[in-house]
Amino acid sequence: DVKVTQSSRYLVKRTGEKVFLECVQDMDHENMFWYRQDPGLGLRLIYFSYDVKMKEKGDIPEGYSVSREKKERFSLILESASTNQTSMYLCASSPEDRRGLKQFFGPGTRLTVL
Amino acid sequence: RKEVEQDPGPFNVPEGATVAFNCTYSNSASQSFFWYRQDCRKEPKLLMSVYSSGNEDGRFTAQLNRASQYISLLIRDSKLSDSATYLCVVMNYNQGGKLIFGQGTELSVKP
Repeated sequence: DVKVTQSSRYLVKRTGEKVFLECVQDMDHENMFWYRQDPGLGLRLIYFSYDVKMKEKGDIPEGYSVSREKKERFSLILESASTNQTSMYLCASSPEDRRGLKQFFGPGTRLTVL
Repeated sequence: RKEVEQDPGPFNVPEGATVAFNCTYSNSASQSFFWYRQDCRKEPKLLMSVYSSGNEDGRFTAQLNRASQYISLLIRDSKLSDSATYLCVVMNYNQGGKLIFGQGTELSVKP
């Protein structure tokens, strides 16, 4: 079974702090994704990566950056957290030959920025 | 206008009922379609793909109408365990294979 893990289930940070959200998958998937999920808005893509050291902006990249130094790990970085970044963050991965098809999600990190 | 729109619900139905969810998408170039299921405080998981000819998986039937840009999910003989949020998802390979999610329809099945 594919396993996608995220470093924290719940996180509380203060405005202005630098925040790292880590995601690791154990199935050698090429593609990894970061989403945020908010009530009434659904899942929105922040950034994605189709290969190591490669990244592409999703639909709402402002205020975020990412890092993919190793194939299995995709990190989301909030350089200076703001209250409007309070949200549920979900990481996902999928194999290269079925790039956008079945995506496997991690359990999510619920981030609160005070 | 959102690229994928769903009725957010909630749909409250008794056990054994048949319930239908609808979804519309705005990008006529969308090529692949899915329904994901998300339990409360859990991650989304793929429920089923949606094919042009329609497809069935047990009590679940998915339909696609490309001309109307409309997708549906029918659940027959609903169970308590069907209570969840159902996410309509579309993909366009020309957009790099990104999945576009609807905001989800909440279903609550009562005894």
